[in-house]
Amino acid sequence: TQLLEQSPQFLSIQEGENLTVYCNSSSVFSSLQWYRQEPGEGPVLLVTVVTGGEVKKLKRLTFQFGDARKDSSLHITAAQPGDTGLYLCAGMTTDSWGKLQFGAGTQVVVTP
Amino acid sequence: NAGVTQTPKFRVLKTGQSMTLLCAQDMNHEYMYWYRQDPGMGLRLIHYSVGEGTTAKGEVPDGYNVSRLKKQNFLLGLESAAPSQTSVYFCASSYHGGERIYGYTFGSGTRLTVV
Repeated sequence: TQLLEQSPQFLSIQEGENLTVYCNSSSVFSSLQWYRQEPGEGPVLLVTVVTGGEVKKLKRLTFQFGDARKDSSLHITAAQPGDTGLYLCAGMTTDSWGKLQFGAGTQVVVTP
Repeated sequence: NAGVTQTPKFRVLKTGQSMTLLCAQDMNHEYMYWYRQDPGMGLRLIHYSVGEGTTAKGEVPDGYNVSRLKKQNFLLGLESAAPSQTSVYFCASSYHGGERIYGYTFGSGTRLTVV
């Protein structure tokens, strides 16, 4: 059983469209991170959120941490082919300090 | 600045063979981790280390052993490989300063096939 459930599992959109990826759990997280992974490579950190209700923006990417710190979302505005990749959320609870638990990921494909 | 380096990148083993996966980081990070990644299951923690000379079990430790003799190196061993250990293995390292959580830096992975 995944501690973190990501949805959807797969998303295919056209360049210029918007998309949102969700990460949900029944556990409370002290911090939550989003990573992007490209084929043949390891995940690369995009953002860390630690405060309930926190919103962070990274160019066209907007990350939100739920008020109760149990869920998060990633929104991409005007997606580009370079946004293609596997997006992973990962959380750390107070009793698993130092150890991240990962969701299964959302595969995003942006076609020109 | 290499970050996290994993060797080898690819390996095919026969059932029952042994091997060691090597991970080296040059960022002076205290924490190091070994994960495996399987389709539809995300990254699962095998073993981790919070400092030189210390190791601990993660979520899926059976069939694996680790050692952290030097701060910069974290080795993952398979004593008797099984087909269920076919996977992509990732090493990661991180720094934790007090209560601040920093992101993981991952290596590029080792693709292992056990036949």
